[in-house]
Parts: sequence; C-alpha cells; structure tokens
Amino acid sequence: DVKVTQSSRYLVKRTGEKVFLECVQDMDHENMFWYRQDPGLGLRLIYFSYDVKMKEKGDIPEGYSVSREKKERFSLILESASTNQTSMYLCASSETGSEPQHFGDGTRLSIL
Amino acid sequence: SQKIEQNSEALNIQEGKTATLTCNYTNYSPAYLQWYRQDPGRGPVFLLLIRENEKEKRKERLKVTFDTTLKQSLFHITASQPADSATYLCALTNTGFQKLVFGTGTRLLVSP
Repeated sequence: DVKVTQSSRYLVKRTGEKVFLECVQDMDHENMFWYRQDPGLGLRLIYFSYDVKMKEKGDIPEGYSVSREKKERFSLILESASTNQTSMYLCASSETGSEPQHFGDGTRLSIL
Repeated sequence: SQKIEQNSEALNIQEGKTATLTCNYTNYSPAYLQWYRQDPGRGPVFLLLIRENEKEKRKERLKVTFDTTLKQSLFHITASQPADSATYLCALTNTGFQKLVFGTGTRLLVSP
C-alpha cells in the first residue's frame, strides 16, 4: 500500500515565521502535490511537482514555495506566515498526473 | 467560468437504501473523473476512476456513471451502511492536463 506521511498533524506558528511542512511518499511516484482545504472552498492546489527539482504553480501559489530535492520528499514553505494561511494542508502523490492520488492525513496549521 | 458542483447539503438516508450523489461540471472536457471518500480529520481516499469513453464503473457496492453530454457523474452506494457516512469528493482531469480539480464534496449520513 502507498503511504504518504506528513511530518506533523497539528502545528501552531506565529505571523511572520517561516514555516516548513514536510511530506514523504514511499511508492516512487513521479508526481507530488500540495493542497489546502478550507470549509466551503474544498481542496485547492497550491503547487505540484512531476519530477525532482521540477515544480509547477497550482491555483493559489501566492505566499508559498516548494522544494523537491529527492523524489520521495516534497516540502511546502510558507515564507512569512500570515493568519489567512491557517488551514488544513494535504500532500498527495500519484504515478502520473491523471492517475489516482494518494493522500497523507494532513497538517492542521494555525497561524496566530 | 469552470465549475465543479456537488450538493453542499448533507444527504441523509436510512441504512440499506441506495445513496446517490451528484457531480456536475461546466466548461471542462474531462478525460477522467474520480471519486474519493474523506473522513473527518483524514485525507481523501481514492474509490473509483471512470474514463470519458466509459459509461459506468462498478466496485463492490459502489457504482459510478459518467455522462459527458449531461456533463454529470452519479455515484451510487447500494445497501448503504452507517460506516459509509463520510464526505464524498468528485475530481476531474482535463484532457492533456497533469492535475486534478476537486469539487467541494457532499456529506453522506447513513442512519441505522
């Protein structure tokens, strides 16, 4: 079974801090994704990567960056956290862009 | 504009009945449509994928239909059980694209 592991289930940070969210998958998948999920807005794509060191902007990339130095690891970075980035963050991976995605259990991030 | 619409109101049904969830889309030409289940505090879990040239797909008690003329997918759970209570998300991929776009989900509540 594919396992996608996110480093923290809950995280509390202060405004202006630089925040790192880590995601690791164990199935050698090419594609990895970062979403945020907010009530009434559903899952929105922040960034995705289809190969090591490659990244593509999703629908809401502002205020975020990503890093993919190794195939199994995809990091989301909040450069200077703001309260409107309080959300549930979900990482996913898939073999190709259109194949089923496998999700981690999310990080609930609160910015105070 | 592009839209994926799922009924935002919860669907309440009695155990043993068939649950039918709807996903409508506008201004997409999906090559694939997928359904996911999400439990509170967890990441989505993939259930079924249906391609544009398929009318229907089944897996155990689950059935998905895909009507590209009506721009609609229906998701059925037969002989529903309280354990089927969850939020169900539809997601689609436009032809030639590498990413999924998700609906906001419909919450299903199955009463004993």
